[in-house]
Amino acid sequence: DTGVSQDPRHKITKRGQNVTFRCDPISEHNRLYWYRQTLGQGPEFLTYFQNEAQLEKSRLLSDRFSAERPKGSFSTLEIQRTEQGDSAMYLCASSPGGPAYEQYFGPGTRLTVT
Amino acid sequence: DQQVKQNSPSLSVQEGRISILNCDYTNSMFDYFLWYKKYPAEGPTFLISISSIKDKNEDGRFTVFLNKSAKHLSLHIVPSQPGDSAVYFCAAPQGGSQGNLIFGKGTKLSVKP
Repeated sequence: DTGVSQDPRHKITKRGQNVTFRCDPISEHNRLYWYRQTLGQGPEFLTYFQNEAQLEKSRLLSDRFSAERPKGSFSTLEIQRTEQGDSAMYLCASSPGGPAYEQYFGPGTRLTVT
Repeated sequence: DQQVKQNSPSLSVQEGRISILNCDYTNSMFDYFLWYKKYPAEGPTFLISISSIKDKNEDGRFTVFLNKSAKHLSLHIVPSQPGDSAVYFCAAPQGGSQGNLIFGKGTKLSVKP
């Protein structure tokens, strides 16, 4: 299967702990996106990479959030000092770039902060 | 300020009938629209898209209609099947070169046998 993969699928953590999620995009896709989805809402954009460069960050991405894509392949999203409001589904998507707007999503990481 | 709106949280239809899911948008600069389908515990799956230079795009049982003057689009599924039961999201690219998507809140479709 060469789709977008995310790890872990589920994460339960205590408030104040740090967590890190990983995303492996479709191999030939140079664009990678992170979104967050909460109950009853559509996915909300967090940040975007073109190859290894982080080109856009949403105002939703507070200082506690950091994302990297060190070699232009996989990406990590870290949340420091987690809060209960961080509980959500974190989705990663990739696209080949160019004029195509279609993005291909991974299964997501469900974060629960207790 | 919601730029993409799906005002119906849920829709129930009988198997074999038509499902019509609606979406409204406020930003007249949007030039492309996408529909995604999402099953529980899975990521959204791309379904169909339409460019703003068209008013209709068809792919098998799925057709999307765009009415630019009304800033409205709709997804028609004919005939509806129980496997179509999912949450459907309407989305539009933010614009510029990055293309991050702005999603509506989704409509949960239930197709009853």
